[in-house]
Amino acid sequence: AQTVTQSQPEMSVQEAETVTLSCTYDTSESDYYLFWYKQPPSRQMILVIRQEAYKQQNATENRFSVNFQKAAKSFSLKISDSQLGDAAMYFCAYRSLFAGGGADGLTFGKGTHLIIQP
Amino acid sequence: EAGVAQSPRYKIIEKRQSVAFWCNPISGHATLYWYQQILGQGPKLLIQFQNNGVVDDSQLPKDRFSAERLKGVDSTLKIQPAKLEDSAVYLCASTLGLAGGLWFFGPGTRLTVL
Repeated sequence: AQTVTQSQPEMSVQEAETVTLSCTYDTSESDYYLFWYKQPPSRQMILVIRQEAYKQQNATENRFSVNFQKAAKSFSLKISDSQLGDAAMYFCAYRSLFAGGGADGLTFGKGTHLIIQP
Repeated sequence: EAGVAQSPRYKIIEKRQSVAFWCNPISGHATLYWYQQILGQGPKLLIQFQNNGVVDDSQLPKDRFSAERLKGVDSTLKIQPAKLEDSAVYLCASTLGLAGGLWFFGPGTRLTVL
């Protein structure tokens, strides 16, 4: 079974600064997806960015980018020019690409609480 | 496009009572998931449906939890009887079921068991 580890329960950053959230995972599979989700107090899970493991190029979405190190099984999220609206819980998640029987539920880490200091 | 709908948004019950949650996925989404998110933790998969069939229920506590998706659209998750440790947010998500497809989450139901 896959596991996802987020070692930072909480991170704080000044508005307009850059912050990096860490995520490591354990898997024996070669093809899979990795995601970062944002969960504000409203509880709505919002997709921030996703990465296909077979792609070497790191995914980027506006101010959000990832550093995907497949050999190290590391998938960190960098948020540039932090904004007050970025404050939320951030979850790293793993999804098998070819799970047996079609089972492909996301496996989540425990999350990192991101605080933005004005 | 309408999102994933869930009801109720909040529920408070006494332990040993029964409770049911409802989820309506995005139209046309074949795959539906129920997750349990205990405070301070990441969501944990309870059950996955493909149309009206169960694909994965390996983490569902079957002695007290049950779920169904009779017509391959709406789904109901039931807890009977509830325990204190069932207090959590229950999230429903849906996808088209294609590899690489995007996931859409509902707003969740917050359950408090007293």
